[in-house]
Amino acid sequence: QQQVKQSPQSLIVQKGGISIINCAYENTAFDYFPWYQQFPGKGPALLIAIRPDVSEKKEGRFTISFNKSAKQFSLHIMDSQPGDSATYFCAARGGNFNKFYFGSGTKLNVKP
Amino acid sequence: DTGVSQNPRHKITKRGQNVTFRCDPISEHNRLYWYRQTLGQGPEFLTYFQNEAQLEKSRLLSDRFSAERPKGSFSTLEIQRTEQGDSAMYLCASSNSGGPTYEQYFGPGTRLTVT
Repeated sequence: QQQVKQSPQSLIVQKGGISIINCAYENTAFDYFPWYQQFPGKGPALLIAIRPDVSEKKEGRFTISFNKSAKQFSLHIMDSQPGDSATYFCAARGGNFNKFYFGSGTKLNVKP
Repeated sequence: DTGVSQNPRHKITKRGQNVTFRCDPISEHNRLYWYRQTLGQGPEFLTYFQNEAQLEKSRLLSDRFSAERPKGSFSTLEIQRTEQGDSAMYLCASSNSGGPTYEQYFGPGTRLTVT
């Protein structure tokens, strides 16, 4: 059973547009929600993260919106650039030992 | 560069052979994780070390897999009698239990191909 569900699987956005990726979870014990960016052949790199006591967090062009009652969170990339083209993973921390559960990923392609 | 490093970056092996991967975490990090990532999927947790103690293992970690972290520094992941289904990217991550957040920092991964 997948603990974190992510959509869409792929996304094409024009340069300057807004990219939106959504995730949903079931386990209310999850207490930390990071987003990772991964380029081909590289490991995931932490992009931005949020805790459930906050509804929104913004860092530069990247914003996480968090809806605790709906158990959903999303990543918004403003003014999307071709350099943002990568695969994005949401994750949630839960259980013992700081274990992360990852979504299945969204491949973003930003067209010039 | 003081990030997480992994070696080798790529490994091609024949079915039935044993392979060993190494992970060097960020030096002050006492927590170390191994994940497996197959094509088109997110990383899946395999095992976790706090210092030298292996505290959790996923059901994905069959008895052909073994991981160690001697002296609480680097870690090795060994796969015995490899199968084609073991082909994947093996990722290592580290974090610091003394830090204010739960951030995990990933290495570049070791891509295993079993022929």
